[in-house]
Amino acid sequence: EPEVTQTPSHQVTQMGQEVILRCVPISNHLYFYWYRQILGQKVEFLVSFYNNEISEKSEIFDDQFSVERPDGSNFTLKIRSTKLEDSAMYFCASSYLSGGPGGYTFGSGTRLTVV
Amino acid sequence: GNSVTQMEGPVTLSEEAFLTINCTYTATGYPSLFWYVQYPGEGLQLLLKATKADDKGSNKGFEATYRKETTSFHLEKGSVQVSDSAVYFCALVQTGGFKTIFGAGTRLFVKA
Repeated sequence: EPEVTQTPSHQVTQMGQEVILRCVPISNHLYFYWYRQILGQKVEFLVSFYNNEISEKSEIFDDQFSVERPDGSNFTLKIRSTKLEDSAMYFCASSYLSGGPGGYTFGSGTRLTVV
Repeated sequence: GNSVTQMEGPVTLSEEAFLTINCTYTATGYPSLFWYVQYPGEGLQLLLKATKADDKGSNKGFEATYRKETTSFHLEKGSVQVSDSAVYFCALVQTGGFKTIFGAGTRLFVKA
């Protein structure tokens, strides 16, 4: 079964550093997403991306964050100047259709720890 | 705004017990409804879905029925197994929307 692949599985970074989280969505999917889950809390929407541009973003997704699809296969989330509160599990997802009715395929996540 | 409320956990059951995890939602129109499961150390997996009122989603012995009149999408399984131990998330997507709105998750422990 096709998978969404995320790398690295765990990243530790110092406060103030920039990190790039990488995702390879399913090859024929058209919509790409980032979500985050702070430990023990809800899964929160960050951003959706379609046709090489952001289609929707949440209040969390401020100027500190950016997304890019640098080639035909990768989808990245960049966090500039990381803060302690950015520590979370970050999930990439993709879908062929927008949101519903198909649901998403999620990656296994990248655990980001900011120290 | 749109939201999803699900019962707090943890839920602890013995093997072969009946499972219900309650989920209610607030949304305009007719959202699509989902249950996702997160096994320890893993990502989110789509468990089942329903896209219109009275639809029943089912997978791996789990079922949930889209009830428009009660704005609910309760997850049920007739006989749980130890391997069902995980966190279960109820979620919705507004028609034509891009983002999924998740409930807080319900942790299920199944004892042998």
